[in-house]
Amino acid sequence: AQTVTQSQPEMSVQEAETVTLSCTYDTSESDYYLFWYKQPPSRQMILVIRQEAYKQQNATENRFSVNFQKAAKSFSLKISDSQLGDAAMYFCAYNTVGNNDMRFGAGTRLTVKP
Amino acid sequence: ETGVTQSPTHLIKTRGQQVTLRCSSQSGHNTVSWYQQALGQGPQFIFQYYREEENGRGNFPPRFSGLQFPNYSSELNVNALELDDSALYLCASSFGGTGFSGANVLTFGAGSRLTVL
Repeated sequence: AQTVTQSQPEMSVQEAETVTLSCTYDTSESDYYLFWYKQPPSRQMILVIRQEAYKQQNATENRFSVNFQKAAKSFSLKISDSQLGDAAMYFCAYNTVGNNDMRFGAGTRLTVKP
Repeated sequence: ETGVTQSPTHLIKTRGQQVTLRCSSQSGHNTVSWYQQALGQGPQFIFQYYREEENGRGNFPPRFSGLQFPNYSSELNVNALELDDSALYLCASSFGGTGFSGANVLTFGAGSRLTVL
């Protein structure tokens, strides 16, 4: 069964600094998709970034980038120049081709200190 | 472009009661997925609806049921409520067709917080 593990329940970063959130997953599939979602106190999950497993190039979205290590089944999220608005729960998620059951990790709570 | 809206935002029920949660999908989306998010955990897939039919189901008992309407909105019904059903219920819409690619980005609503006493 595909599982997603986030080993950091909580992380803290100083405003303007860089922080990396970790995620590992377990799968026997070769083609799949990985996502990072942000859930602020408003509860609405917002897509941060998406990575296709067949692409070797790491995805980037402005201050957000990933380090995708397919062989190690690792998918970490780097947030550069952290802002107060980045404070939220961050969920790593996995989905396979032809599947509709997206699997989420338990989440990492990110605190940004001014 | 309207986003995903869910109602009610909060509700309290007692054990054994029934509840209906509602979701309006984002404009242009034809698929709705429901997730249960217990406190301190990540969302768990309940089921998905496409073309008004259930299109995949997670490990949830039959007392969790749903509907999708011709306008792509959806309902989640839970019968015989149990204390463990207390959770945030998230609805997510996406655009999909046969043979879901898995790449479909889910657009989430803000959820319905259910408390079962």
